[in-house]
Amino acid sequence: AQSVSQHNHHVILSEAASLELGCNYSYGGTVNLFWYVQYPGQHLQLLLKYFSGDPLVKGIKGFEAEFIKSKFSFNLRKPSVQWSDTAEYFCAVNEGTGGFKTIFGAGTRLFVKA
Amino acid sequence: GAGVSQSPSNKVTEKGKDVELRCDPISGHTALYWYRQSLGQGLEFLIYFQGNSAPDKSGLPSDRFSAERTGGSVSTLTIQRTQQEDSAVYLCASSPDRGRNEAFFGQGTRLTVV
Repeated sequence: AQSVSQHNHHVILSEAASLELGCNYSYGGTVNLFWYVQYPGQHLQLLLKYFSGDPLVKGIKGFEAEFIKSKFSFNLRKPSVQWSDTAEYFCAVNEGTGGFKTIFGAGTRLFVKA
Repeated sequence: GAGVSQSPSNKVTEKGKDVELRCDPISGHTALYWYRQSLGQGLEFLIYFQGNSAPDKSGLPSDRFSAERTGGSVSTLTIQRTQQEDSAVYLCASSPDRGRNEAFFGQGTRLTVV
């Protein structure tokens, strides 16, 4: 069965620091990969997604993620975080063919100190 | 409405009672998901509906949980004989097509079993 692992459960950074959140998945076939964000008091929303092509994808608010197939990873990065990036971040995966059930990781809570 | 709507937003129930949670997906979206979000547990997949196909119920934690989707639109998640461990936020999401599209989430129903 698919699984998604997010290595950091809580991250605390100062503004302007660089961010990298790890995500690894278990499925060996073709996958679609997503990062979602949940700001305090708001619903989950899409940050970025990867289906095929360039493994470096760019999303909203300066976020990017790199798909490394050999490592089954899809890490999220941002060169310089802002206080407004304080949120919970979820990595998600579904199979490129077949059931398309989307599985989420446990989430990483990011707190950015002003 | 323009987004996924869930009701009620909050529900407090006594242990042993049955509850029904409702989800109105975005019009035209063929895929509908239910997830459960507990503190520190990420998003736990519960059930997935796709068009007229048989739902994927593989994530339902026990036979006390069931869900239906009428007319390919509105969905109801029912929890019978609620237990305290059922307390969580129940999230519904819909998607316009299989796999490669993002999921649009509702605000969730916060269920508290006392």
